[in-house]
Amino acid sequence: AQKITQTQPGMFVQEKEAVTLDCTYDTSDPSYGLFWYKQPSSGEMIFLIYQGSYDQQNATEGRYSLNFQKARKSANLVISASQLGDSAMYFCAMREGLGGSYIPTFGRGTSLIVHP
Amino acid sequence: GAGVSQSPSNKVTEKGKDVELRCDPISGHTALYWYRQSLGQGLEFLIYFQGNSAPDKSGLPSDRFSAERTGGSVSTLTIQRTQQEDSAVYLCASSHGTPATDTQYFGPGTRLTVL
Repeated sequence: AQKITQTQPGMFVQEKEAVTLDCTYDTSDPSYGLFWYKQPSSGEMIFLIYQGSYDQQNATEGRYSLNFQKARKSANLVISASQLGDSAMYFCAMREGLGGSYIPTFGRGTSLIVHP
Repeated sequence: GAGVSQSPSNKVTEKGKDVELRCDPISGHTALYWYRQSLGQGLEFLIYFQGNSAPDKSGLPSDRFSAERTGGSVSTLTIQRTQQEDSAVYLCASSHGTPATDTQYFGPGTRLTVL
């Protein structure tokens, strides 16, 4: 079974609107971290936001927030007030702690296109 | 402070030649990772270094691939007898090294083209 699943290969959003990118994960490890990265056409992977499995509150970083639903094993990224510069590939990743190898597993990514 | 740097940014080589890709991690980061990303694909883990521990080589696709990390800092990924299927972007990342909560920071990558 895939550890990280991103079911949306492509998403489109109008500038200034909010968009949610889906990510579900699979682990039996009680200690894990969830990460979102942005990869623009330049190719560099840019860290956006982190959520720990023991965190009580959803993580937020500026226009990015992580909708963490632990029981459903989902960690969706919400981008508010989309900008043209948000057009990129977005990758969800998980790193398992106690029982894992500490090597993050990445999803296949979601391509986001922001329309003016 | 300086981020992760990689060199060269682009490398074009002929099939059968050896190539070396370099990664300079963020100062103080004990963990270093190499990934490969083929066109339009996700990230494929290659190798992981953590401090002075033996590296995790479980992702290396063949014995033509090897990597070393000197002095716990700079790392070199070597691909011997390159094949066309080795063409990809090779990404390096580093992190502080603590488990689960640790954030990886990536370099800009090296785009390898094997003719």
